[in-house]
Amino acid sequence: QKEVEQDPGPLSVPEGAIVSLNCTYSNSAFQYFMWYRQYSRKGPELLMYTYSSGNKEDGRFTAQVDKSSKYISLFIRDSQPSDSATYLCAMTSRNQFYFGTGTSLTVIP
Amino acid sequence: EAGVAQSPRYKIIEKRQSVAFWCNPISGHATLYWYQQILGQGPKLLIQFQNNGVVDDSQLPKDRFSAERLKGVDSTLKIQPAKLEDSAVYLCASSSNLHSPLHFGNGTRLTVT
Repeated sequence: QKEVEQDPGPLSVPEGAIVSLNCTYSNSAFQYFMWYRQYSRKGPELLMYTYSSGNKEDGRFTAQVDKSSKYISLFIRDSQPSDSATYLCAMTSRNQFYFGTGTSLTVIP
Repeated sequence: EAGVAQSPRYKIIEKRQSVAFWCNPISGHATLYWYQQILGQGPKLLIQFQNNGVVDDSQLPKDRFSAERLKGVDSTLKIQPAKLEDSAVYLCASSSNLHSPLHFGNGTRLTVT
């Protein structure tokens, strides 16, 4: 079983839709949770960084962590064509980072 | 704040040749990482430095890959000799301390023919 599971997609939505991206994990020792956005031919860019269970909001983005279910989500409201990218979840324990495989998202104008 | 700088952006070599990548982390970041990202996959850690010491190189193919971080700032990653399966994007990342998130450079895209 992989440490982090992420549906690779691809996911295609119309502009303005609410997008939900998800990851599950198996290691209950994971403490910090991140979402990265990666545009084609670019490095991953940090979007959200959370520690505790619950929600964290930043503009159109909301990160949700449910440690009891070992499940994290990223919600994008009012999605824009500029949100088209690959989204990677990541989590860390004891200074080791574990990444999902990424979900490819396309927002259609 | 300047980001993580990497060079070159692209490199094409033939198998069995050698290649080197360079990384300059964000100023003041003590921890530096090299990752390999194959198309359609998440980044895979190759080596982690804390200042100029190696913290984790368990997944580095040491028969062909080597890395150094002299003076605890810049780092180089070398592959010698390269194999076809080394074709990937090599990402450098840095962080300010152990539990801080990673900040990535734009990577070096390596093609081995």
